[in-house]
Amino acid sequence: DTGVSQNPRHKITKRGQNVTFRCDPISEHNRLYWYRQTLGQGPEFLTYFQNEAQLEKSRLLSDRFSAERPKGSFSTLEIQRTEQGDSAMYLCASSRQTVEAFFGQGTRLTVV
Amino acid sequence: SQQGEEDPQALSIQEGENATMNCSYKTSINNLQWYRQNSGRGLVHLILIRSNEREKHSGRLRVTLDTSKKSSSLLITASRAADTASYFCARIYGGSQGNLIFGKGTKLSVKP
Repeated sequence: DTGVSQNPRHKITKRGQNVTFRCDPISEHNRLYWYRQTLGQGPEFLTYFQNEAQLEKSRLLSDRFSAERPKGSFSTLEIQRTEQGDSAMYLCASSRQTVEAFFGQGTRLTVV
Repeated sequence: SQQGEEDPQALSIQEGENATMNCSYKTSINNLQWYRQNSGRGLVHLILIRSNEREKHSGRLRVTLDTSKKSSSLLITASRAADTASYFCARIYGGSQGNLIFGKGTKLSVKP
């Protein structure tokens, strides 16, 4: 399967713990996006990379969130000191420049 | 907000009818894209229309773009129960360095 892959698919964590998600984009795609989606809402932009450079980060994103894309390949999204409000589906997408984005199946985070 | 608005928020129709969803945005765009999301699944790209295009077709889908009104519409003709999903428009803002921003979506229900 050469699509966008996200791991894990589901994560349950206790409040205050740190979590890390991984996204493997389609190999020739230079752009990688992270979004958060809650029930009944559209994907909320978190951050995006062009190759290894993080070009934009949402102002809504707290300092507890950090993302990396070393070597412009896979990306990780870390949430430190998780809160119940962080419970959501975290979506990763990749694309070539400004054309259509391909999404992974997402990581569903539940903070208890 | 860069998200703009989509309407209606929800749409319920009978199989065989046409469904029209609208999307408005606030600042100039590079292109506009429509995506579909089945319940609990990832997003799937449907169609992309560039800022210098006015209409585009793909199978039973027709997308229009009016840059003077900063609006787009998605028409699904001869709808099927399998078209039941949420539909989102997404825009690239800020030229070639811009990110991909989604609206809140229209939830379409097609009844057999």
